[in-house]
Amino acid sequence: GQQLNQSPQSMFIQEGEDVSMNCTSSSIFNTWLWYKQDPGEGPVLLIALYKAGELTSNGRLTAQFGITRKDSFLNISASIPSDVGIYFCAGQRTGNQFYFGTGTSLTVIP
Amino acid sequence: NAGVTQTPKFQVLKTGQSMTLQCAQDMNHEYMSWYRQDPGMGLRLIHYSVGAGITDQGEVPNGYNVSRSTTEDFPLRLLSAAPSQTSVYFCASSRRGVATNEKLFFGSGTQLSVL
Repeated sequence: GQQLNQSPQSMFIQEGEDVSMNCTSSSIFNTWLWYKQDPGEGPVLLIALYKAGELTSNGRLTAQFGITRKDSFLNISASIPSDVGIYFCAGQRTGNQFYFGTGTSLTVIP
Repeated sequence: NAGVTQTPKFQVLKTGQSMTLQCAQDMNHEYMSWYRQDPGMGLRLIHYSVGAGITDQGEVPNGYNVSRSTTEDFPLRLLSAAPSQTSVYFCASSRRGVATNEKLFFGSGTQLSVL
């Protein structure tokens, strides 16, 4: 099955630093979604992107739908301890199926 | 609204046992799906449904059955559990049955161990 390439796999950062992660694919997607997963919980939707080039913010989070439609980026500004978790990207082409990245594990050091 | 509700939260089975993982949503979503999450593998689609009475296979359907008799419920059945089915299972739903530009909402998961 198709998986998205998500990087980095893990990040250890100081509180207050900015974070960047990305997701790439060899296929074009029509929708990109970004999720955060806390331990023992299901993924929670952070940002949804529907158009190539779209830049969308949700508080300190900003995500972009790549121009080529084969990638997406998530930035977190001024990280805080509660940003700790695993971040997943998901892409949707036509129909219903979503394809997921393998996740970026974020650790924020106070 | 409760959103997507999964039960049980944890389950331990012996090899060969059967069980049903329950999933219910109260958002009147047409699309429902089951994923399994394994370390380093991301989320992999098991089965999905675009509406009551309609189901289809995803990426890893072997060993699992589903049915969709109502819009709200989408149970996942393991007929004869195997250790390879040890995983965390997530149910997810979205509003429309066949569409792009959708948002997928997840339940809190079921952690299954097969001994």
